[in-house]
Amino acid sequence: EVQLVESGGGVVQPGGSLRLSCAASGFTFRSYWMSWVRQAPGKGLEWVANIKQDADEQYYVDSVKGRFTVSRDNTYNLLYLHMSSLRVEDTAVYYCVRGKGCGHTYGCPVGTLYYFDYWGQGALITVSS
Amino acid sequence: QSALTQPRSVSGSPGQSVTISCTGTNSDVGGYNYVSWYQQYPGKAPKLMIYDVTKRPSGVPDRFSGSKSGNTASLTFSGLQAEDEADYYCSSYAGNYAVIFGGGTKLTVL
Repeated sequence: EVQLVESGGGVVQPGGSLRLSCAASGFTFRSYWMSWVRQAPGKGLEWVANIKQDADEQYYVDSVKGRFTVSRDNTYNLLYLHMSSLRVEDTAVYYCVRGKGCGHTYGCPVGTLYYFDYWGQGALITVSS
Repeated sequence: QSALTQPRSVSGSPGQSVTISCTGTNSDVGGYNYVSWYQQYPGKAPKLMIYDVTKRPSGVPDRFSGSKSGNTASLTFSGLQAEDEADYYCSSYAGNYAVIFGGGTKLTVL
């Protein structure tokens, strides 16, 4: 059974930093692109960042570029989101998600990396003074 | 990029057919066949319901169907059921390794 379990959420002051972790199990973690998707309270979904299988490519939504860093540890099946210079508008539930891909480890059409077929339960980050 | 445009809410009676629209631009929905739909119950994580515009993951009932015409994608429920009441989000690949979501639609089963 595929499982994604986030940890590290909490309350942080504006300008502060925080690191989210996601423990993956039940699938070959090193074979998948992984993403973070967030949802502000009462709002819609927003893709935040993703990272390639071997971590040599990362992409971000414009609003977090230069402030957030996504990384992974394929030895321990862990995904991370390092967040700094946090703003009130970063308050949200952050989901760790798997990119569905196309059934092959490499060479999938890029759009298939953004089909999110498994989601964690989410971690709430509240940025407030 | 701006979020894709979805109606805030739609409703229907059990057994009826209901469609949720998702309007984008030539740079996202109209430019790529990488549209997906998600179902979200209150307090729960979203669930992938449709991908590649029309395909259903294993386990998704065939009363859910997807389509696209031009810059507008649609999710149709054929034979609405009470358990379909949830929020629904569309998403589309938008080029340059980015994806955008719609604002979400609340489906009410009367």
